[in-house]
Order: sequence, then C-alpha cells, then structure tokens
Amino acid sequence: AQSVTQLDSQVPVFEEAPVELRCNYSSSVSVYLFWYVQYPNQGLQLLLKYLSGSTLVKGINGFEAEFNKSQTSFHLRKPSVHISDTAEYFCAVSNTGNTGKLIFGQGTTLQVKP
Amino acid sequence: DAGVIQSPRHEVTEMGQEVTLRCKPISGHDYLFWYRQTMMRGLELLIYFNNNVPIDDSGMPEDRFSAKMPNASFSTLKIQPSEPRDSAVYFCASSLVAGDPPGGYFGPGTRLTVL
Repeated sequence: AQSVTQLDSQVPVFEEAPVELRCNYSSSVSVYLFWYVQYPNQGLQLLLKYLSGSTLVKGINGFEAEFNKSQTSFHLRKPSVHISDTAEYFCAVSNTGNTGKLIFGQGTTLQVKP
Repeated sequence: DAGVIQSPRHEVTEMGQEVTLRCKPISGHDYLFWYRQTMMRGLELLIYFNNNVPIDDSGMPEDRFSAKMPNASFSTLKIQPSEPRDSAVYFCASSLVAGDPPGGYFGPGTRLTVL
C-alpha cells in the first residue's frame, strides 16, 4: 500500500519570495509521483510528474520538484511566487504498474500575500 | 474541446433522498474516474472505468453508492439513500490512456450538500 504525507497544511508566503511545499511518500514498490494544483472552485490540474529519469522535474507555471528516493520525498519548489499561485496543492503517488489510480496527500494551501 | 462536463455544479438535498451526479468525459477518452473530496478524508478515488467497464471500485464507500457508464460519453454516480456524511465535492475525470495525465483531466466538480 502507498501513502502520501504533505507536511504543511498551510504555507503563507510573500509575493516574489521562494516557496517549498513538502511531500513524503511511503511505498513498498516503485512509484510515480505527481503534483496537482487546485484553484478555488475548480478541478485539479497537473503541475508536473516524475515517472523515471532525471530526478529534477520541471512543470508548468515555473514550478519544479525533486525526487529523492533515499528520503522518499518529492518536494515542490518555485523560486518566486505570484499572487496568482494562491491555491491548494496536492502531492500524489501511483504504483508503476497502474498509473490510473492515484493516492493523494491531504493538500497544502499556498497563500501568497502582496 | 469543452473539457470534462459535470452536472449539476451544486446539489442540496435532504437525508434519505436519491442523488444522481452526471459526467460527460472528453470525447475519445477511454478512461473515466470518479473522485470524492472532503475536508476529513481529502481526495479519494471512488471508481474508474475503461471502455465503459468498471475496473476498480474498491474506493466506493458502501452499497449506497453506485456508478454506471452506459456509453462512452456519459457516466452517473448515484447515492441512494443519501446521508449527511456524503456531503463533499465529487469530481469526474477522464483520460485517453491510463496515465496521460495520471488520474485524468478533471471536471469542475459537483458540490453535494446533504441536510
């Protein structure tokens, strides 16, 4: 079985500051890892995904994440946030045998302040 | 493309009533997923279909919940009878192949309130 832990429920940050949203996972098998963003009253949008290869993954809107197998982590980063990045962010995992079924973390609310 | 369409966007009902949520996937997509989002449990996959056939329904909470996909362009999630603890946002998602993108392209969701 897999599980995902997002270590911060809320992250307040000032505009143009860097941000890191933390995600740790647990799995007995190889996994794929994902970050999704949910803007208010909307569905989820895929930000980026790690399937294999380079452990540094770049996504949309200037976000990137680094897969660290030894730490079982997949933290999301952005060097300079904008007000428009205010949203809820979800880390998710699936086993490599079935990428249709995702296990989500509880979510982290990113609040960007002017 | 119109994206995944869900209806209604909001539903308020009383305990014991039947509720039907509807989803139209993106045309040509072979996979359809139903998720539920609550404050307590976060995002959970309820069930998913491939070519209209249910593949994994292990996330369906209990017999009060049922999902159907009579054709490639329509799916329903039914709750009968509904209970206050069913209050949540229900998302439908679709994808062309499993994993592209993983978990599918999401619809806007249906916010269900059971009084």
